[in-house]
Amino acid sequence: EVQLVESGGGLVQPGGSLRLSCAASGFTFSSYAMSWVRQAPGKGLEWVSSISGSTGSTYYADSVKGRFTISRDNSKNTLYLQMNSLRAEDTAVYYCAKDLEIGTIGWFDPWGQGTLVTVSS
Amino acid sequence: DIQMTQSPSSVSAFVGDRVTITCRASQGISSWLAWYQQKPGKAPKLLIYAASSLQSGVPSRFSGSGSGTDFTLTISSLQPEDFATYYCQQANSFPLTFGGGTKVDIK
Repeated sequence: EVQLVESGGGLVQPGGSLRLSCAASGFTFSSYAMSWVRQAPGKGLEWVSSISGSTGSTYYADSVKGRFTISRDNSKNTLYLQMNSLRAEDTAVYYCAKDLEIGTIGWFDPWGQGTLVTVSS
Repeated sequence: DIQMTQSPSSVSAFVGDRVTITCRASQGISSWLAWYQQKPGKAPKLLIYAASSLQSGVPSRFSGSGSGTDFTLTISSLQPEDFATYYCQQANSFPLTFGGGTKVDIK
């Protein structure tokens, strides 16, 4: 069974940093693209970043480009999101998601349970 | 960026009703469209990908259609467990973008 478990969320002051982790199991992690999607309280879904499975190519939303870095450690089956220069508008539940098929990016299945990041002084 | 516009933003329906949700892309995306279901406090769940492919384990009352810029998600006979918020999402190009969501609730 595929499992994705996020951790690392919490309360951080504006301008601070946080690193999210997503521990994956139940599939060949290195073969699949992985992504982060966030949801601000009471709002819709917003794609944040993706990393391919084969080449490790990375992609970012304009709203986080230059501040967030996605990475993966295939030896640990873990996905990361390093978040720097955090702003109040980054407050959200952050989900990690596996891609449905090898070689694609964009069909998110399944999703983790999410981790809440709150940016506030 | 490709904008995804869903309508309606909310719909009230009875159990057994047929419900149709539409999603329009600001430019052509071929069949690079997915639909997700999200229940309160839970992570989204993939229902449909490639515009019309039913994800494994998803009931057959869910169906998707369309290509280019106009897409629909249809629930043929609404069940109590289907009351949720539904999102479309394009995977044609980065940045990947979601529609604003359609909340389906009980009439």
